[in-house]
Parts: sequence; structure tokens; C-alpha cells
Amino acid sequence: EVQLLESGGHLVQPGGSLRLSCAAAGFTFRSYAMSWVRQAPGKGLEWVSGISGNAGSTYYADSVKGRFTISRDNSKNTLYLQMNSLRAEDTAVYYCAKLTFSMIVVGSLDYWGQGTLVTVSS
Amino acid sequence: SYVLTQPPSVSVAPGQTARITCGGNNIGGESVHWYQQKPGQAPVLVVYDDTDRPSGIPERFSGSNSGNTATLTISRVEAGDEADYYCQVWHTSSDHPGMVFGGGTKLTVL
Repeated sequence: EVQLLESGGHLVQPGGSLRLSCAAAGFTFRSYAMSWVRQAPGKGLEWVSGISGNAGSTYYADSVKGRFTISRDNSKNTLYLQMNSLRAEDTAVYYCAKLTFSMIVVGSLDYWGQGTLVTVSS
Repeated sequence: SYVLTQPPSVSVAPGQTARITCGGNNIGGESVHWYQQKPGQAPVLVVYDDTDRPSGIPERFSGSNSGNTATLTISRVEAGDEADYYCQVWHTSSDHPGMVFGGGTKLTVL
């Protein structure tokens, strides 16, 4: 059974930093690309970032480029999102999700974690 | 950047057919995926690659994609289908590839 468990979300001040983690189990982690998707309170889904299975390719939404860094440790079956220079508009539930078929970041997301809440406020 | 446009809401009576659209420039040339999200829960993939269903998703859920509009069709709607639905594509552009979600459609079962 595929399991994705996010952690690391909490209250942080504007301008601060936070690292989210996503522990994966139940599939061959290195064989699949992964993504982070966020959802602000009462709003829709927003793609944040994606990384290929071998970590050779990374992609970012314009809204986070230069501030967030996605990475993965295939030996630990864990996905990360380093978030710097946080802003109030980064407040959201952050989901990690698995690409359905591929090592590359193209296609659909077939498994999602339950999310971790990041609140940016003074 | 590529934009996907969904109606904010769709209402349908139980047993009827719901159609949720997703508009985008030449979206027929993209692979479109659909997610269902119920309150307080993570999204669930219900249709991928325009028309395919993951295992466990009822046949009542189907998709189509042509021209500038993709459509998620839910036949014989049930109360349990009430949820937010999102379309998504991976848009390849020369300067900025990325995943794009539509704004979401709230399906209300009357």
C-alpha cells in the first residue's frame, strides 16, 4: 500500500524558513517523480514544484522560484521542500504527491499525502 | 503561462448526469487529468490521460478532450459525488514547463 506522510509544517514568521519532509512507502521511490502541491485556506490547488526520480530535473512555479528548493533522498525514501523567505501568501496545506507512471515530472498524480499546514504570520 | 478555466459551480439532481468543463488554449493537444476533493481530504485522481480511470474509480466517471475544452462526465450522480473537482495538465512550454490546475468546480447534488 502506497503511503505518503508529510511533516514539518507549523507557524513561521514572514521572512522565515521551513523544511517540509514527505516519507514514502509502498512503492519503489526512486522510480517515480514527485511533486508538491499546496492549497491556501478556502482556495484551489496550486502546483509548487516537481522533481524527477533521479533528482536530475527540478521544476518550480513562478510564485516560489528562487525561494523554494525541492530535493529527495532516495536512500531514505524521502522528499523535501526547503522554503525560504516565506510570505503570508505561502500559507497553505502542502501536499506531496506521486507521479502516476513516470520517473519524469509529466502526467497525473495518483497518490497524495494528507498534507501539512504551513502558516506564515507575525 | 497556461490557464485552465473551470466553472465555479455545477448543480445536478441525483441520478442525472453532471458535466464539468475545463477550458484551455488547444487543450485537446494536452493530456488532461481530473481530481475529486472532498472537504478536509486530499485530492483523489478520478480520470487520467483524458479518458482513463484508475482502479477503484466507478465507470460512472468518464472524460473527454477536444479542441479547447476537456470534460469530466459523471453519470447517475450520487450524493457521495458532491465534492470539488479539478482539472490538471502538464504544460510544456519553451521557457517554463510546469503543472497547471484549473480553479476547481464545486459539484452540488441537489
